[in-house]
Amino acid sequence: QVQLQESGPGLVKPSETLSLTCTVSGGSISSYYWSWIRQPPGKGLEWIGYIYYSGSTNYNPSLKSRVTISVDTSKNQFSLKLSSVTAADTAVYYCARLTSGVLGFPYYYMDVWGKGTTVTVSS
Amino acid sequence: QSVLTQPPSASGTPGQRVTISCSGSSSNIGSNYVYWYQQLPGTAPKLLIYRNNQRPSGVPDRFSGSKSGTSASLAISGLRSEDEADYYCAAWDDSLSGCYVFGTGTKVTVL
Repeated sequence: QVQLQESGPGLVKPSETLSLTCTVSGGSISSYYWSWIRQPPGKGLEWIGYIYYSGSTNYNPSLKSRVTISVDTSKNQFSLKLSSVTAADTAVYYCARLTSGVLGFPYYYMDVWGKGTTVTVSS
Repeated sequence: QSVLTQPPSASGTPGQRVTISCSGSSSNIGSNYVYWYQQLPGTAPKLLIYRNNQRPSGVPDRFSGSKSGTSASLAISGLRSEDEADYYCAAWDDSLSGCYVFGTGTKVTVL
């Protein structure tokens, strides 16, 4: 059974870069897409982007200029970097497996989620 | 930045049927599948419905999804106390370079 675990600093200073890692256990990172999602306190979900195990990426246009998602297949990990953070980037950050394919139309859904990690942006 | 609109709240008594709507546009729901996620208090979201009306293994058949045009809905029949949670619809949006979009979320309360 695949499990995901987010890790990284819980506190980041404004204007700095937020860096998180998601470790995949119980299965291989290969042949799947992997995604980051965030949820500000008391608010809804926001998709940040995804990466395929081969390295191809797709980012939310609203965050694209500040986001980099990378993958390390040797470690079964993928990572998120968000630059120039402000208080608005304070959120619970989730990593998730993104299952995709085509059945008439393309489909994409997050079927395995990490428990999430809280990141606060404050000086 | 949510482009899918849901009612902020819904409620019902145990055993009742509750329906949650999700309104989008031609670039998302109108041309792509809809998904539903359940988020119990203090936990990560969980996939509830995929490809409009499919249930993952382990999800009770009390939960059902449907889609018509640019709108979708989630129905919970035989409401139970453990169904009290936030529910989010989602879809791929073909505008710009493509983006996965979530709904605004609906808090379901079991009275």
